[in-house]
Amino acid sequence: SAVISQKPSRDICQRGTSLTIQCQVDSQVTMMFWYRQQPGQSLTLIATANQGSEATYESGFVIDKFPISRPNLTFSTLTVSNMSPEDSSIYLCSARLSDTQYFGPGTRLTVL
Amino acid sequence: GQQLNQSPQSMFIQEGEDVSMNCTSSSIFNTWLWYKQDPGEGPVLLIALYKAGELTSNGRLTAQFGITRKDSFLNISASIPSDVGIYFCAGPVSGSQGNLIFGKGTKLSVKP
Repeated sequence: SAVISQKPSRDICQRGTSLTIQCQVDSQVTMMFWYRQQPGQSLTLIATANQGSEATYESGFVIDKFPISRPNLTFSTLTVSNMSPEDSSIYLCSARLSDTQYFGPGTRLTVL
Repeated sequence: GQQLNQSPQSMFIQEGEDVSMNCTSSSIFNTWLWYKQDPGEGPVLLIALYKAGELTSNGRLTAQFGITRKDSFLNISASIPSDVGIYFCAGPVSGSQGNLIFGKGTKLSVKP
């Protein structure tokens, strides 16, 4: 199995600022994913981040708003840029290991 | 696009009761996954189903992959207070790198 940690676990940010969320996996994984979960809602995929290539974004999500880094096989970051209150959500990192997708505990973001 | 319709949206049951929830789709899925999310945590995989008609158990949990590959159910027997949480069905998006699409979730409350 894979253990995934995220930092920060929560943050309260001002409108117009940016926040970078870090995700660390305890195993080397090829595929990592970033999901958003709005309050009381299901999970929506933002992008797939594979090491050594550009992130692939889902419809409705763009690189300028959610830049992603994937410098090695155990780490990724997601930045939420120029935040607005609509960005208030839980952001979840996920990694695929041996055909199973594991999730981090999430980062709860509140934008004022 | 692919969608997963999950029901019921929420359930309030007495400790000791059995629970049943299901997930349907108009599209065929080759894998069905059931996750549980506790408050403040990321989803944790409960059961994975890979073959049409497959019935799999994990302790008090039983899940089945529908024969048409368009539905799945999850049963929990003799519920206990720690079963409280949100249960999500999920499946891989066709043609993707393993991205998952999630149902809207079933919120389970257990009264001691």
